[in-house]
Amino acid sequence: KQEVTQIPAALSVPEGENLVLNCSFTDSAIYNLQWFRQDPGKGLTSLLLIQSSQREQTSGRLNASLDKSSGRSTLYIAASQPGDSATYLCAVGYDKVIFGPGTSLSVIP
Amino acid sequence: GAVVSQHPSWVICKSGTSVKIECRSLDFQATTMFWYRQFPKQSLMLMATSNEGSKATYEQGVEKDKFLINHASLTLSTLTVTSAHPEDSSFYICSAGQGVDQPQHFGDGTRLSIL
Repeated sequence: KQEVTQIPAALSVPEGENLVLNCSFTDSAIYNLQWFRQDPGKGLTSLLLIQSSQREQTSGRLNASLDKSSGRSTLYIAASQPGDSATYLCAVGYDKVIFGPGTSLSVIP
Repeated sequence: GAVVSQHPSWVICKSGTSVKIECRSLDFQATTMFWYRQFPKQSLMLMATSNEGSKATYEQGVEKDKFLINHASLTLSTLTVTSAHPEDSSFYICSAGQGVDQPQHFGDGTRLSIL
């Protein structure tokens, strides 16, 4: 059974810091991995999608990497801003899509 | 980009009412749709996989007679919460894709409040 975990559960950083969010999964037989952002009371915003054949994807200040063999993905956020404050979720796609528990990020001005 | 529309976005109703939530893929055909439930301050929990033209596959612990899923066309899946009670109050969200190996596109979710 696929299990997805995320570390840390919560993170508070001063504005301008670079930070890394971690996602781990137990079964490496995945099709893809997605990172999402969720603001309080809102739906999901897709940030980055990495296919199983890819190692990383970049969008603006965001960079996501995937090491399928070790069951890990990281989301790197450069020069964090208060507007980045949200919950970040990773989701693993195989015969279904399973979400991790999320990392709650707070960027302090 | 691919768009998934979920309706309604917010429902408040009395205990015992049945509530139907629609999930539509607007610009692509979705062979597979997923339904999730999210309690406050928790992550999304997969409820069921909806396959066009066949019965939904429910995750362990999800009552299929309570949460009826219909996927009658390649662009529409519905989730009906039957005889809803306050404990069914939650945020329900669907996703749609063109296959399990393809990216999933998510609706904006439905906030269900049962009084």
